[in-house]
Amino acid sequence: ETGVTQTPRHLVMGMTNKKSLKCEQHLGHNAMYWYKQSAKKPLELMFVYSLEERVENNSVPSRFSPECPNSSHLFLHLHTLQPEDSALYLCASSTGRGAAANEKLFFGSGTQLSVL
Amino acid sequence: GENVEQHPSTLSVQEGDSAVIKCTYSDSASNYFPWYKQELGKRPQLIIDIRSNVGEKKDQRIAVTLNKTAKHFSLHITETQPEDSAVYFCAASIGYGNNRLAFGKGNQVVVIP
Repeated sequence: ETGVTQTPRHLVMGMTNKKSLKCEQHLGHNAMYWYKQSAKKPLELMFVYSLEERVENNSVPSRFSPECPNSSHLFLHLHTLQPEDSALYLCASSTGRGAAANEKLFFGSGTQLSVL
Repeated sequence: GENVEQHPSTLSVQEGDSAVIKCTYSDSASNYFPWYKQELGKRPQLIIDIRSNVGEKKDQRIAVTLNKTAKHFSLHITETQPEDSAVYFCAASIGYGNNRLAFGKGNQVVVIP
């Protein structure tokens, strides 16, 4: 285990549902990330939190809403999703204070999301 | 924005042979290039990285080479083993101050026993 835990592992939801993904890191890192992984596509950065402050919203639709209550926990709140949002959602953390690109990313196992 | 391309998309090699995966990038200001390995059903993990002030870096059976002029970098795996079968993602730093990563689509490497 790398110390980054995601729940649930699998999630099936309808387009009118509201659900949340949870991520917890036990590594003492200062930055946490949400990535979207779709088949045959590059890993897509969605959100970055450094020291609990969001430093980037990569033009992600508002139906995805992140929350970072402290440096160890990260949530992704989902509402009125579309079928094209079906993907593997990966959480990651890194050390350092600025969420710099050259920091090693420690990924969780991901949540496989299916939107019906 | 940065465009990172990986070639080939799928690579099959006989166990014991070498595998080479190439990535190209578009932003000449990029200065950090990591490689992540993702085994089937598992999380991506960093296996090696290189910075722009170095042309080559090696770690046991894995090496990465960087050609800044041509804007490409390659992952070399020697003496491949079945456990090397995975998807390999390259990435390049982008953004103001190179503070973000742009990933490629990934290469599926299959090592045939």
